[in-house]
Amino acid sequence: GENVGLHLPTLSVQEGDNSIINCAYSNSASDYFIWYKQESGKGPQFIIDIRSNMDKRQGQRVTVLLNKTVKHLSLQIAATQPGDSAVYFCAEMANNQGGKLIFGQGTELSVKP
Amino acid sequence: SAVISQKPSRDICQRGTSLTIQCQVDSQVTMMFWYRQQPGQSLTLIATANQGSEATYESGFVIDKFPISRPNLTFSTLTVSNMSPEDSSIYLCSVEPPSYNEQFFGPGTRLTVL
Repeated sequence: GENVGLHLPTLSVQEGDNSIINCAYSNSASDYFIWYKQESGKGPQFIIDIRSNMDKRQGQRVTVLLNKTVKHLSLQIAATQPGDSAVYFCAEMANNQGGKLIFGQGTELSVKP
Repeated sequence: SAVISQKPSRDICQRGTSLTIQCQVDSQVTMMFWYRQQPGQSLTLIATANQGSEATYESGFVIDKFPISRPNLTFSTLTVSNMSPEDSSIYLCSVEPPSYNEQFFGPGTRLTVL
């Protein structure tokens, strides 16, 4: 089946630094991508999304970049804070898949004060 | 957005028994999904439970093991039947409300099977 995978399972950064979390996807039919944040004991929380007709989308302190040529997705967090410590998942959806999300492996982000 | 609650939040069960997990949404939604998250792993879709139709199961998941009910637009249940320790996971429901592109997730039900 199709997979969405992550290059780095863990990432440790200093408070105030920028974080970059990467994700590779393999389904060329996917046209919608989402980043979720999951804190311990909670369900995933939507962070930001991007459609395949865009290369970049910015939110508050977060930016998602999409490179369709190499099927790569990244999440950039500016000025990382201790509250950003969590597991981050990318997820993909194809337009003809009825809302089904395929999740990537997950990256655990640890922010050191 | 949508506010989703799940019951129970966690449970410890004996092998061979069954557990029914409830998912309640604060608004009417057509599309509802059930996911499994095994320890330290990502989320895997079990089934799509749209109101008015039979649940659609993903490869590797069958109705006999994970029967689902969807009696109305705000509620669904997932049963984990004849449990074994391999069923120990977090089970999450999610919804995609009308006019939203994103899915909202419940807090999850943490199941431990002894």
